[in-house]
Amino acid sequence: DIQMTQSPSSLSASVGDRVTITCRASQGIRNYLAWFQQKPGTAPKSLIYAASSLHSGVPSRFIGSGSGTDFTLTISSLQPEDFATYYCQQYNIYPLTFGGGTKVETK
Amino acid sequence: EVQLVESGGGLVQPGGSLRLTCAASGFTLSDHYMDWVRQTPGKGLEWVGRTRNKGNSYTTEYAASVKGRFTISRDDSKNSLYLQMNSLKTEDTAVYYCARDVFWSGIYHPYDCWGQGTLVTVSS
Repeated sequence: DIQMTQSPSSLSASVGDRVTITCRASQGIRNYLAWFQQKPGTAPKSLIYAASSLHSGVPSRFIGSGSGTDFTLTISSLQPEDFATYYCQQYNIYPLTFGGGTKVETK
Repeated sequence: EVQLVESGGGLVQPGGSLRLTCAASGFTLSDHYMDWVRQTPGKGLEWVGRTRNKGNSYTTEYAASVKGRFTISRDDSKNSLYLQMNSLKTEDTAVYYCARDVFWSGIYHPYDCWGQGTLVTVSS
């Protein structure tokens, strides 16, 4: 199975900060990488697919990049509603696998 | 409005069975790939399995942890997706979500719609 490693596992930031989360695949996955946001007690929300394509309605401050094994999710200017846990997922090869998550907390 | 609503969760003893339902509205289920994803309490996300669309004969894929015990099926007449879970183990305790794949540029990508989730607790 492809292992997805996210870093950091948590971070503290302030509104307006630029935040970067990294996701590394144990083998190449082309650009078949998705990002999700989840708040406590709610279902995940899809942000990005194909490494850099935003789902409809997702604000442009969410920026995905990368290809192969190394990917990043950048929030260009953190907003109050962005404090949440973020997950990456590879879908190049079955079984689909998720990263362990990155919790973005208020500083 | 596109919507997915899961139901059928509850408390079941180890070795027991349960069937989850994902009721789809606002779109034709048979046109889409659909996945089940679960989340253990306080932990991360785990992909459970996928069913392809009618054009791809509804073929399925499963995670190794559930293969041979879980079965994904559909009822087009009810626009509903199912997850039949047999031989349940305590480690299957989780919130189960159904999610719709999005078709773009020739392939299916995760996910443009999620259900709200249903909790399955496996305990004696």
